[in-house]
Amino acid sequence: ETGVTQTPRHLVMGMTNKKSLKCEQHLGHNAMYWYKQSAKKPLELMFVYSLEERVENNSVPSRFSPECPNSSHLFLHLHTLQPEDSALYLCASSQDWGLGTDTQYFGPGTRLTVL
Amino acid sequence: GENVEQHPSTLSVQEGDSAVIKCTYSDSASNYFPWYKQELGKRPQLIIDIRSNVGEKKDQRIAVTLNKTAKHFSLHITETQPEDSAVYFCAAVTEGSQGNLIFGKGTKLSVKP
Repeated sequence: ETGVTQTPRHLVMGMTNKKSLKCEQHLGHNAMYWYKQSAKKPLELMFVYSLEERVENNSVPSRFSPECPNSSHLFLHLHTLQPEDSALYLCASSQDWGLGTDTQYFGPGTRLTVL
Repeated sequence: GENVEQHPSTLSVQEGDSAVIKCTYSDSASNYFPWYKQELGKRPQLIIDIRSNVGEKKDQRIAVTLNKTAKHFSLHITETQPEDSAVYFCAAVTEGSQGNLIFGKGTKLSVKP
């Protein structure tokens, strides 16, 4: 349960605010992911980092900006968000990326509310 | 690209009954199919997975079957218990998705005591 941690767990922000979500993995994995989970929608992959390099950016608006300073940490910087961006943001990690058969371990998520 | 459809969206069963959740996928090159369980307020966790060279896999009360011809795979839970209540997500991976998981919309399973 503590392999992937996320902070904060809950975040309320106005549309003009700037905030950051943090993810940390203690599993020695090489790949990290950001997902968006909205009600009644599939988990949406936002970004993938492999060995600290961004390898996937799924047409995510520029108001979401990821950062991966090292293989254990992943950030999602938020600015000028919209109310429709309110969702649960999940971080995940896996041993490697590319084959797709490595188990992804999820963090507990950050519940984001944009007012 | 890959598309994963999951049914039903909600499922209610009596404790002790079986539950079946079905997923279909569009890309015949898909080769890996994991299932995740997400309890209320908690993170998704892998419960079972199957690769395309296998037709069935079991782990205690949980089993997954794969029909490559029909492009569908199913999760079977036998002797359901209240703690099985959760949202279950299927996913598929293809080479075309560069190893990324494509998720279904989820099934909310409620097991009534």
